[in-house]
Amino acid sequence: ILNVEQSPQSLHVQEGDSTNFTCSFPSSNFYALHWYRWETAKSPEALFVMTLNGDEKKKGRISATLNTKEGYSYLYIKGSQPEDSATYLCAFISNTGKLIFGQGTTLQVKP
Amino acid sequence: GAGVSQSPSNKVTEKGKDVELRCDPISGHTALYWYRQSLGQGLEFLIYFQGNSAPDKSGLPSDRFSAERTGGSVSTLTIQRTQQEDSAVYLCASSLDWGGSTDTQYFGPGTRLTVL
Repeated sequence: ILNVEQSPQSLHVQEGDSTNFTCSFPSSNFYALHWYRWETAKSPEALFVMTLNGDEKKKGRISATLNTKEGYSYLYIKGSQPEDSATYLCAFISNTGKLIFGQGTTLQVKP
Repeated sequence: GAGVSQSPSNKVTEKGKDVELRCDPISGHTALYWYRQSLGQGLEFLIYFQGNSAPDKSGLPSDRFSAERTGGSVSTLTIQRTQQEDSAVYLCASSLDWGGSTDTQYFGPGTRLTVL
């Protein structure tokens, strides 16, 4: 059974704090990992598509790393802002075509 | 250009009735995906299309669920004899190609289905 776990489930930080969360996935049959941001009442928005072990991607204050050998990816947010408040989802895609989302990490940034 | 659109945006139906949800992907996108999010749950993958064919239907929750795509464009998700546990937000996404899934998926606004 393929399982994708995200931790923590929720996170409350103060504006300006830096934070990070984890996506764990099966280390076998890896093909790609996607990160999405899902704001309330909006559609999920793609952040990163990661395919290679050791990949590091960055978009503004948000960055992500990938370790396919041990099966985890970290998402980092530097200097969190209230507009970063959202649920962050990772999706694992296997080389057999399976696509599985994690449960998400809900981030709340207090002004 | 236009993004992914879905209709209706909200649907309230009675238990036992059939419903049809529609997705219009971004023009030129060959891959199309259906997901749902039930209350308090994560995003659940249902099915994807590469062109008009669906290589893997194992994500559909039951045989009451079916999906089709015609002309490599519009897709419909049909739920027969709806049950209360079918209540969820149904999201559609499209990408340029399934192509090993390196293509970014663009999501529609979703259809909120409520089964009374």
